[in-house]
Amino acid sequence: AQTVTQSQPEMSVQEAETVTLSCTYDTSESDYYLFWYKQPPSRQMILVIRQEAYKQQNATENRFSVNFQKAAKSFSLKISDSQLGDAAMYFCAYRSSAGGGADGLTFGKGTHLIIQP
Amino acid sequence: NAGVTQTPKFQVLKTGQSMTLQCAQDMNHNSMYWYRQDPGMGLRLIYYSASEGTTDKGEVPNGYNVSRLNKREFSLRLESAAPSQTSVYFCASTRSRSGNTIYFGEGSWLTVV
Repeated sequence: AQTVTQSQPEMSVQEAETVTLSCTYDTSESDYYLFWYKQPPSRQMILVIRQEAYKQQNATENRFSVNFQKAAKSFSLKISDSQLGDAAMYFCAYRSSAGGGADGLTFGKGTHLIIQP
Repeated sequence: NAGVTQTPKFQVLKTGQSMTLQCAQDMNHNSMYWYRQDPGMGLRLIYYSASEGTTDKGEVPNGYNVSRLNKREFSLRLESAAPSQTSVYFCASTRSRSGNTIYFGEGSWLTVV
């Protein structure tokens, strides 16, 4: 079974600065997908960014980018120019592309991001 | 667009009572999921349905049953609620088993006293 580890329970950053959230995962598969979800106090799960394992290029969505290191099984999220609205829980998630076995996302325990004004 | 809709949003149950959480999606998705979220635990998969008429266990299925009523609807039933089932429950859906984005409902807060 796959596991996802987020080693930072909480991170704090000054508004307008850059912060990086860490995520590592364990899998024996070669083809899979990785995601970062944001969960604000409303509890809604909002997709931030996704990465296909077969793509070498790191995904980017506006101020959000990832550093995907497949060999190291690392998938960090960088948030540039942090804004107050970025304050939330951030979850790293893994999804297998294999045909057999359980489907669905495997989540890390989350990182609580605090934005200091 | 409604997306993924869950009902009820809040529920308080007494130990031993039964209830059903309803979920419907309007995106013509094939796959649907039920997760629970507990403090400090992230989201954990309870059951999923890859297509209409099929259901499979996830990581934490004990104490739950599910029904994929049709392509749109996927319900989660607690037959005899226990305090350990106090949690926030999320329904989710996606088009198929691939890298397609999984979309979540807004969550259902369940307290068992």
